[in-house]
Amino acid sequence: DAGITQSPRHKVTETGTPVTLRCHQTENHRYMYWYRQDPGHGLRLIHYSYGVKDTDKGEVSDGYSVSRSKTEDFLLTLESATSSQTSVYFCAISESSSGRDYGYTFGSGTRLTVV
Amino acid sequence: RKEVEQDPGPFNVPEGATVAFNCTYSNSASQSFFWYRQDCRKEPKLLMSVYSSGNEDGRFTAQLNRASQYISLLIRDSKLSDSATYLCVVNAGGSYIPTFGRGTSLIVHP
Repeated sequence: DAGITQSPRHKVTETGTPVTLRCHQTENHRYMYWYRQDPGHGLRLIHYSYGVKDTDKGEVSDGYSVSRSKTEDFLLTLESATSSQTSVYFCAISESSSGRDYGYTFGSGTRLTVV
Repeated sequence: RKEVEQDPGPFNVPEGATVAFNCTYSNSASQSFFWYRQDCRKEPKLLMSVYSSGNEDGRFTAQLNRASQYISLLIRDSKLSDSATYLCVVNAGGSYIPTFGRGTSLIVHP
């Protein structure tokens, strides 16, 4: 399996506190993504990155920021956590070359509960 | 109309049955297609890519119908272990942002 790890695996935090989730890859893939998954909504893209310091917003980016200072790390920060951000967060990586898409590999997820 | 649509199911089938799922997509420029499997409380995992000519991997067969803009997944001789949610993924040519369907739930019972 591709080397992609997320940390922490589980976290409980209080409303209003900042939270940072980490995604680390050892595959040197160019593209990295953060998704949240909630019942009835499927996977929704929060932010993505197409290179070091190159990031962009997805469909549900409000309340989230990201950073990618190294190829291998993609951080997701909830600036001030709210209960609506209770979710399962997945990181994914991808590498496309010569126009071919090899698909996406997901981390094991982070279960975040905001109380 | 959603970009990628799947019947959420659940599809309840007995062991040994053959079951098929479809996934329709709206962007005619779509170039890459995949089926993913997701077990409860786990991450999605790539099951198979879908090629224009269709492809088969053991009991699983994937087909692409560009004219009608859908992909299909056929599972033969269903096993209890096939119980999961199956997600289709579509990517437009030149894009690195995939579009995921919400998944089809399959339950295989004894």
